[in-house]
This record gives sequence, C-alpha cells and structure tokens, in this order.
Amino acid sequence: GAVVSQHPSRVICKSGTSVKIECRSLDFQATTMFWYRQFPKQSLMLMATSNEGSKATYEQGVEKDKFLINHASLTLSTLTVTSAHPEDSSFYICSARDWRAGRPGRPNTEAFFGQGTRLTVV
Amino acid sequence: AQSVTQLGSHVSVSEGALVLLRCNYSSSVPPYLFWYVQYPNQGLQLLLKYTSAATLVKGINGFEAEFKKSETSFHLTKPSAHMSDAAEYFCAVSVGISGGYNKLIFGAGTRLAVHP
Repeated sequence: GAVVSQHPSRVICKSGTSVKIECRSLDFQATTMFWYRQFPKQSLMLMATSNEGSKATYEQGVEKDKFLINHASLTLSTLTVTSAHPEDSSFYICSARDWRAGRPGRPNTEAFFGQGTRLTVV
Repeated sequence: AQSVTQLGSHVSVSEGALVLLRCNYSSSVPPYLFWYVQYPNQGLQLLLKYTSAATLVKGINGFEAEFKKSETSFHLTKPSAHMSDAAEYFCAVSVGISGGYNKLIFGAGTRLAVHP
C-alpha cells in the first residue's frame, strides 16, 4: 500500500513556543490530507482537511489560528501548533487518500495514515 | 448525519478464542465502512473495507467483517485470537464533504486484550 510519513514521531517543547509537524505522501500524490488529534485512550478527532493549493477546512471548534495548516505541494502538508500550551499535548496523526484508484472523491478509497506525532508541551 | 458506534470499549479474549468486535452505523445513504487497527504510539492500519461489492469482507491477519443492512451492523470477527492481535480497533464510515471528497469519521474504538 501507499506510504505516509510523519515527522517527528515525538517532540517536547516549552510552553509558548511553536511546533511544526510534517506529513508526506512518499509514493503517491495527495491532493487532500487530513489531520487528526487523539487523546489518550480515545478515538481520533478530525481537526481539519488540508487541500493542496488552498486553505484548509477546519472542523467546528478547532482554532484556525492555533493550528496552522499548509499544503504547499501534492506530497506535503504541515501542521503548526502555535504558542503551544500543556493542554495541546496530544497524539497528532495525519492521513491521505490515494486517488489514483479512481476519480477524486471516491468514498471507498483507503486512507493511509502516518505514524503519528506525540507532542508534549511542558 | 453518518456515524458509527462501537459497542464495548474493552474486549478481552483468550488466545485461540473467537474475536467479535461490534460496530453499528447510521447512514441515510449506502455507507462505505472501514476497520482499522492501531498499535501503541503508531498510526492506523487498514484491516478491511466494505464498498458495497460483497457483504462478507475478508481482510488481513485473518479478520473478516459482515455488512448487515437490516441490522445496520459491520461487526469484525476472527476465528482464533492471537497474542499479537492485542491492539485498539476502530470502525469508520466515509462521509462526503465539499469538493467531492470524503472524510473518515471514527467510532470510539475498542481495545482488544488477548490473554494466554
């Protein structure tokens, strides 16, 4: 299957600083990527849909200015947690769907996930 | 609105026993359903998916799931549990969003424990 690489896998930062997380599709082009947040022992919460060359679409309740998303190319999306606080500590996961199997938007296409980033704000 | 509900946040089975993880969906249109597995501190891996072709879907690692429209269910099963099956399992439904794309909505997850 397709590979999605997420970096870094772990990061510890001081409160008030910003952290950037990268998500790359290694062997396919991803016009759309998704960013999730996962609290301990809980499900994945979709934060935003990242669209190449345009603004991200944020889910209700997610602060756009807090979680900056940039999808500058067909293989790279970044999530920047700005002015991080301890409550931002979480597991962040990105995913991308490989549209090569058919027309864009086919709902049955598999989503490939990155390895996740464990963010700890101290 | 489309959603999935996973019954049972924790399931514990003996090695070699049947695994049954429950998932019910809510959808006004034919759903596309997925089962993913997550090991600690890792991303998600697809086990199988239902795309309206066949109601009984076979996946990796010996898992399978049956789509039952009358019961709005998509339960995940494995005849014989292995220690390596211990993980978190998520049921998901594909939901259409603007621009013709689709996003995944996940259930709360079920943690499977396998004991000797």
